[in-house]
Amino acid sequence: EDKVVQSPLSLVVHEGDTVTLNCSYEVTNFRSLLWYKQEKKAPTFLFMLTSSGIEKKSGRLSSILDKKELFSILNITATQTGDSAIYLCAGYNTDKLIFGTGTRLQVFP
Amino acid sequence: NAGVMQNPRHLVRRRGQEARLRCSPMKGHSHVYWYRQLPEEGLKFMVYLQKENIIDESGMPKERFSAEFPKEGPSILRIQQVVRGDSAAYFCASSPRRGSYEQYFGPGTRLTVT
Repeated sequence: EDKVVQSPLSLVVHEGDTVTLNCSYEVTNFRSLLWYKQEKKAPTFLFMLTSSGIEKKSGRLSSILDKKELFSILNITATQTGDSAIYLCAGYNTDKLIFGTGTRLQVFP
Repeated sequence: NAGVMQNPRHLVRRRGQEARLRCSPMKGHSHVYWYRQLPEEGLKFMVYLQKENIIDESGMPKERFSAEFPKEGPSILRIQQVVRGDSAAYFCASSPRRGSYEQYFGPGTRLTVT
């Protein structure tokens, strides 16, 4: 059965800290790994990773995929209170996204 | 360019009633996906539809749940005889073609069964 596991489940940090969110996956017909940010509404797209070892960056966020170890990480540097959200990781197989349960990040001033 | 639209945003039903959730995909998108998010859980795939076709319904409960995406009009997720365990957020996503990694999500419908 397809499975995506995220850790930690919850993270509480202070502004300015750096955080690393983890995602491991077992997805049949795996095509890519996607990261979303969810703030009490629709998930918003962050990254899509298809190739191993190539880091994708967007401002203070970056992510990388390891297809050998079936693993991805999402890094957020210099965290801000606006980064508080649930971060979802999803494996894409032929036709659907398989989501993990998410990591709830809380950033306090 | 309007995004994915879902209505209603909030729906309250008593046990035994029917719930109808609507999803209008982004303009130019003909592929729709429904996901359910139970409290404190991630999104779970339910069904994937193309216009007038169900492509993959492997995540749909066997009873009471059905989905359609007619040639004209929105996609509809229908839940008959709702139970408390159906209370969840139901998200719809759309994509322009099969095999597209990009799925754009709507704001969701929060269903509460009393």
